[in-house]
Amino acid sequence: GAVVSQHPSWVICKSGTSVKIECRSLDFQATTMFWYRQFPKQSLMLMATSNEGSKATYEQGVEKDKFLINHASLTLSTLTVTSAHPEDSSFYICSAQTLPRNGVYNEQFFGPGTRLTVL
Amino acid sequence: AQKVTQAQTEISVVEKEDVTLDCVYETRDTTYYLFWYKQPPSGELVFLIRRNSFDEQNEISGRYSWNFQKSTSSFNFTITASQVVDSAVYFCALSESSGGKSTFGDGTTLTVKP
Repeated sequence: GAVVSQHPSWVICKSGTSVKIECRSLDFQATTMFWYRQFPKQSLMLMATSNEGSKATYEQGVEKDKFLINHASLTLSTLTVTSAHPEDSSFYICSAQTLPRNGVYNEQFFGPGTRLTVL
Repeated sequence: AQKVTQAQTEISVVEKEDVTLDCVYETRDTTYYLFWYKQPPSGELVFLIRRNSFDEQNEISGRYSWNFQKSTSSFNFTITASQVVDSAVYFCALSESSGGKSTFGDGTTLTVKP
């Protein structure tokens, strides 16, 4: 299957700093990528949909000025947590959607996640 | 709006027992996709199965089987002869017709004891 990588796999930062997380589709092009957040012992919650070459679409309640998303190429989307605070500590997971195959389903592949800890 | 309900928060079984994880979904779409994922302690999601709304055939893959019942909006997952390595959090998810963003259930934590 297709591979999606995330970098870094974990990061610890001080409160008030910004952190950038990369999501790459390694062997396929992804016009659409999704960013999820998962708090401990909770489910994955969709934060935003990232479309190559256009602005991201944020889910209700997600601050777009705090969680900056850039999808500059067909294989890379970045999520920047600006002025991070302890409550932003979470597991961030991206997924990349393939182009339609045979005009049917776009498959979605998940990255391994990035664990962010804000002190 | 889409919704996925996994009523079982935690399940504990002894090795070799069979176990069924329940999943009930809600959607207004006529075309949709259902998924099961396994999330071990490492955190990485492991894809188990995808089923589209037009295919109600049950599926078996080794010790895993899935029962899709459109009439009851359920997509249950059974592990036969469970093993300790099956211990993980299992998520059921629902995706809109384009195969896009997914709505996840709250997950079921399965513990298989030796």
